[in-house]
Amino acid sequence: QMQLQESGPGLVKSSETLSLTCAVSGDSINSGYFYWSWIRQSAGKGLEYVGRIDNSGNVNYNPSLRGRVTISLDTSMNQFSLRLTSTTAADTATYYCATGKIPASPGRTFDIWGQGTLVTVSS
Amino acid sequence: IQMTQSPSSLSASVGDSVTITCRASQAIGIDVGWFQQKPGKAPKLLIYEVSTLKSGVSSRFSGRGSGTEFTLTISSLQPEDFATYYCLQDYNDYTFGQGTKLEIK
Repeated sequence: QMQLQESGPGLVKSSETLSLTCAVSGDSINSGYFYWSWIRQSAGKGLEYVGRIDNSGNVNYNPSLRGRVTISLDTSMNQFSLRLTSTTAADTATYYCATGKIPASPGRTFDIWGQGTLVTVSS
Repeated sequence: IQMTQSPSSLSASVGDSVTITCRASQAIGIDVGWFQQKPGKAPKLLIYEVSTLKSGVSSRFSGRGSGTEFTLTISSLQPEDFATYYCLQDYNDYTFGQGTKLEIK
């Protein structure tokens, strides 16, 4: 069973870049064709889709974050990453990585989740 | 696409049945999933494609709906079912409902 684990700084200064990594274990990131996604959860906005990448490197980002977000895949390290630039307090949230097989059954894009990591953006 | 979930909170007793509703701002076919989240934990996928239970999920959970209105019903509530539930649409990008907190009465 594939497992995901987020890691990265828990505290980021306002205007700086938030960087997180999601390590994939239990299977190779290239064992099939998957979406590799980031979702965040804050008290104010609930669950919010951040973006995703597939095994071919195709990306899709939340339009509200476009221009600030980059998701990349590192198959050699069996992990994928999130970068969010120009952060503000509004980016304070628990960030989850998630995955689902392609083609995804409807509603099943986020099949397996990491445990989440809290990132606080401070001024 | 907006997903309006109701109620935002719900109190029930062990053994009761409850229903949670999500209404989409436009028709989304069958592109709906339901998640359960317990405090301090990640959401867990329960149901996808409106009504298909993920492997290992109790048959006390059921989903219905089409178009713009979708429901999650939990029958014969057990203590482990008290949690927060979210719907998701992935018809066009991805939008979650605001959540329903299910508490023990």
